[in-house]
Order: sequence, then structure tokens, then C-alpha cells
Amino acid sequence: ETGVTQTPRHLVMGMTNKKSLKCEQHLGHNAMYWYKQSAKKPLELMFVYNFKEQTENNSVPSRFSPECPNSSHLFLHLHTLQPEDSALYLCASSQVPGQGTRGTEAFFGQGTRLTVV
Amino acid sequence: KNEVEQSPQNLTAQEGEFITINCSYSVGISALHWLQQHPGGGIVSLFMLSSGKKKHGRLIATINIQEKHSSLHITASHPRDSAVYICAVDRGSTLGRLYFGRGTQLTVWP
Repeated sequence: ETGVTQTPRHLVMGMTNKKSLKCEQHLGHNAMYWYKQSAKKPLELMFVYNFKEQTENNSVPSRFSPECPNSSHLFLHLHTLQPEDSALYLCASSQVPGQGTRGTEAFFGQGTRLTVV
Repeated sequence: KNEVEQSPQNLTAQEGEFITINCSYSVGISALHWLQQHPGGGIVSLFMLSSGKKKHGRLIATINIQEKHSSLHITASHPRDSAVYICAVDRGSTLGRLYFGRGTQLTVWP
């Protein structure tokens, strides 16, 4: 139990479906992340939400749409995905350094294994 | 070229052997992370270090900032250590984003 919970663990969806991935962190962290892990490739950052400053979109196609309603919850809305979007999607949280503070290690959820058919 | 390179890609060992996984990086960093990923997919943080050496049970992580190199050692390896070990670096941005290596698949046989 890392303090970061993702649902669902597995998802199969058609290319015309709309679905959402959910992430919740109970650690009081100020930043949350979506990462994509494809076979044989390093983890790729998709989105960052930092509640003190800014967000980052790492050139992700618009068929992936993040939503962060508060500091504990992060969603990834999916629509009209392609088969090549099949991957493990991981959520993470951390405490990024502010004035006089030190950053912490990242805590990851169990991931959602997504298959697009 | 990836900013973070790991070696070896795959590693097989007999139970009890001493294991070393290497990580080299080509950018300035504020911290380096070692992560463990089991077949189910979830990732667990093992170490975060910015200098010297850290030890946790049978795991030891070292970093040489001048040489931009880190090692993860496992003493007296056990089949339950079988996992993917991932090196990641924090380049010190205020967003806290990490840059990852491709991972090392470790299999320990009884």
C-alpha cells in the first residue's frame, strides 16, 4: 500500500468508447502525475499537476484529457483511443520542494492496464 | 539518446548471489531514485539519494555525482527479489518530474 490508489486495475475499451481512469492520493502531496508505460520503453510523463505553480502537458494527444478537481484526486479521461494507446497507465504523487522544504520520493499507484480493441 | 541508461537490461542470478545494477545519466540532477516494479505493475520507491550511499536491509544504493553514475546492489539475493528495477533522475525542476531508464529485469532462481 503506497498511499496512491488507482482504479480500475484493468480496462478494455473500444476505439469509440469514452472511459476515465481515477487516481487518489492520501499523502498530502502537492503534485500528481500521469505516466504511460509501453512495452520495452521507459516510463513517459504525460501530465503534471503542481498545485503551487503550473501544469505540464508533455505533448500528449487531445484524446487524453486530464482533470484535477482537488489536491487528492486526478482523473484521465479517454476518448476515441487507438490500439497503440494500449499500455500501463501509472499515477504518482510527490511533495515538490518549496521555499525551505525538500522534495520527497515519488509514490506510485498500482497502475491501470489499458487495452484498446 | 535517453538521459538515463541502465545496464544490464536483463539479469539472471542464483539465489544467494550478489547483484549489481548500474545507472548512468547525462544531465545535472538534484536526486536519483531507484524503483522496483513487480509483475502486477505497481512501482515501489526503494531509494532516493543525492550523494553517498544508502542501505535498507539487503539493498544498498550508491551514487557518484562527479561520474554521474549510481549502482544498486542486492546482497544474498532471493527469488522474491525478481522484479524490474528502474533508475530515475530528478533534474531539480519545481514540477518534480522524473526521467526514467528502461529498467533491468532481474530473475533470481532458487
